[in-house]
Amino acid sequence: QLQLQESGPGLVKPSETLSLTCTVSGGSISSSSYYWGWIRQPPGKGLEWIGSIYYSGSTYYNPSLKSRVTISVDTSKNQFSLKLSSVTAADTAVYYCARQSWDVWGQGTTVTVSS
Amino acid sequence: DIQMTQSPSSLSASVGDRVTITCQASQDISNYLNWYQQKPGKAPKLLIYDASNLETGVPSRFSGSGSGTDFTFTISSLQPEDIATYYCQQYDNLPQPITFGGGTKVEIK
Repeated sequence: QLQLQESGPGLVKPSETLSLTCTVSGGSISSSSYYWGWIRQPPGKGLEWIGSIYYSGSTYYNPSLKSRVTISVDTSKNQFSLKLSSVTAADTAVYYCARQSWDVWGQGTTVTVSS
Repeated sequence: DIQMTQSPSSLSASVGDRVTITCQASQDISNYLNWYQQKPGKAPKLLIYDASNLETGVPSRFSGSGSGTDFTFTISSLQPEDIATYYCQQYDNLPQPITFGGGTKVEIK
């Protein structure tokens, strides 16, 4: 059974870079023709897609975040990662990773941007 | 970007009632639409994919319909465990950004 698990710091200072990793277990990130994505949800608000990556490294990003986002993949570790630069309080959210068949999501990790 | 307008933003209904939520896309997305259920503190759960297909294991009281720009999600008989927020999501052809509706919070009257 495929499972995804987000990990990374729960507190990031303003202007710094948020870094999260999604570890895929129960299956190979490169064995299927799916994109793998990051989605976030600010407290009390709706869902926002951040961006996605294919195991080959092909990416596409939300235009509203594109200048600050980098998503990468490490097939040897069965992981993909998110970096969001120059964070502000507006980036405080629960961050989810998901397989883009959209049927498998991580449990989410809360990231707070505060000094 | 494709905008998804979801309505209502909240509703209150009685157990056993039929509940309907709509989602309108700002342009034709064919049937590239999912519906999710999200309970507090949990990740979204896929209920309906490709506008009208029931995800495996999801009760048959949930259904979806529509294509193009107008979509409907229905709970045929509301149950207490259906209390949640529901979201639509479009995933039109790459590299179009993926977008979600604003959500509908469903409560028991």
